[in-house]
Amino acid sequence: EAGVAQSPRYKIIEKRQSVAFWCNPISGHATLYWYQQILGQGPKLLIQFQNNGVVDDSQLPKDRFSAERLKGVDSTLKIQPAKLEDSAVYLCASSQTLAGPSDTQYFGPGTRLTVL
Amino acid sequence: EDQVTQSPEALRLQEGESSSLNCSYTVSGLRGLFWYRQDPGKGPEFLFTLYSAGEEKEKERLKATLTKKESFLHITAPKPEDSATYLCAVREGQAGTALIFGKGTTLSVSS
Repeated sequence: EAGVAQSPRYKIIEKRQSVAFWCNPISGHATLYWYQQILGQGPKLLIQFQNNGVVDDSQLPKDRFSAERLKGVDSTLKIQPAKLEDSAVYLCASSQTLAGPSDTQYFGPGTRLTVL
Repeated sequence: EDQVTQSPEALRLQEGESSSLNCSYTVSGLRGLFWYRQDPGKGPEFLFTLYSAGEEKEKERLKATLTKKESFLHITAPKPEDSATYLCAVREGQAGTALIFGKGTTLSVSS
């Protein structure tokens, strides 16, 4: 079974530029998550989708971050404009269901963003 | 105040030297405690889920246990390939809420 796919793997941009990340979850997984992992920290949730609806975006900086999951499959996360403090690894995860025995989250390899 | 605290931050072991990693949590209404392994440059890899105090799970040289306030990841006779950062995460409250992660313990095993 193919895992969670993410692209690009690395991105370097100047501050105030925009950037977009793409995620394709495991086939059949209804729930998709975007996490931000700053160096030396654990992942922190940005947004959570169930199919193509938002379940939780309370920690998403909505003035600069946006995300969508059209058709309930793959998803994009955008930052516009980027700040220095956005330098981090952006992880996408998916789970079969929102809750219950099949709610284990499986992570992609992440996109390492460097903002100069 | 951190809801999930992992200790130690870093641990160096000799091959074969068993030890334990700790994850303490302060969330109410625990709905699952998760252990992940993360290698440099990679995403977290799922290891275990524990749901209730007294529960234990094993995988190769790893054994995870859970009490009402903390979880331990026991590593028996570690090998260099066990070197990684081990992340603990909890899910609290209503079903469907996201995971709250600790900062991780970085384990180095030398031969």
